[in-house]
Amino acid sequence: EADIYQTPRYLVIGTGKKITLECSQTMGHDKMYWYQQDPGMELHLIHYSYGVNSTEKGDLSSESTVSRIRTEHFPLTLESARPSHTSQYLCASSENGAQPQHFGDGTRLSIL
Amino acid sequence: AQSVTQPDIHITVSEGASLELRCNYSYGATPYLFWYVQSPGQGLQLLLKYFSGDTLVQGIKGFEAEFKRSQSSFNLRKPSVHWSDAAEYFCAVGDPVEGGKLIFGQGTELSVKP
Repeated sequence: EADIYQTPRYLVIGTGKKITLECSQTMGHDKMYWYQQDPGMELHLIHYSYGVNSTEKGDLSSESTVSRIRTEHFPLTLESARPSHTSQYLCASSENGAQPQHFGDGTRLSIL
Repeated sequence: AQSVTQPDIHITVSEGASLELRCNYSYGATPYLFWYVQSPGQGLQLLLKYFSGDTLVQGIKGFEAEFKRSQSSFNLRKPSVHWSDAAEYFCAVGDPVEGGKLIFGQGTELSVKP
């Protein structure tokens, strides 16, 4: 079973706040991903990383930013939250491009 | 560009009945193919994957899927559905060249009648 953790699980916060969503994995995977998922919809890749100090934007444009200073940690930051950022954010990791991605349980974010 | 289509947004089956969830993809070569399941409030759990070889793949929880190159399909099947199978099911395509990035279908919500 994969070990990938996201915190917080739920967050309700006001507009304009700075938010950091945490994602950590204990498997030593080089590749990590952030997806955004609206209710009843598919997942859209917003950021990915192939290793330390490597980050790329995904297929869906996002105002969030990410960093990868350590292999196990891939936090996502919103500098100034807006209601349009309300969504579920899922983090995933994989050993390499030929292996399946393992997902965390997600953070459900609501911006008031 | 790659794409994944799951034609059925919502399916309802009776407990004990068989199940088939459809997935069609668009890709220039043979992609990596996956089925994931998502329970409410949870992340995604891998059911099965196809990379190459035998076109009928077995997964967890009694699921199987068949890759049909001629139809660009990767349909998920289960011979007898259990009430606990009620969830959202996602088909995904991975590009071997793109190093693991996945494209997801919009999902099929499965409801199970007692």
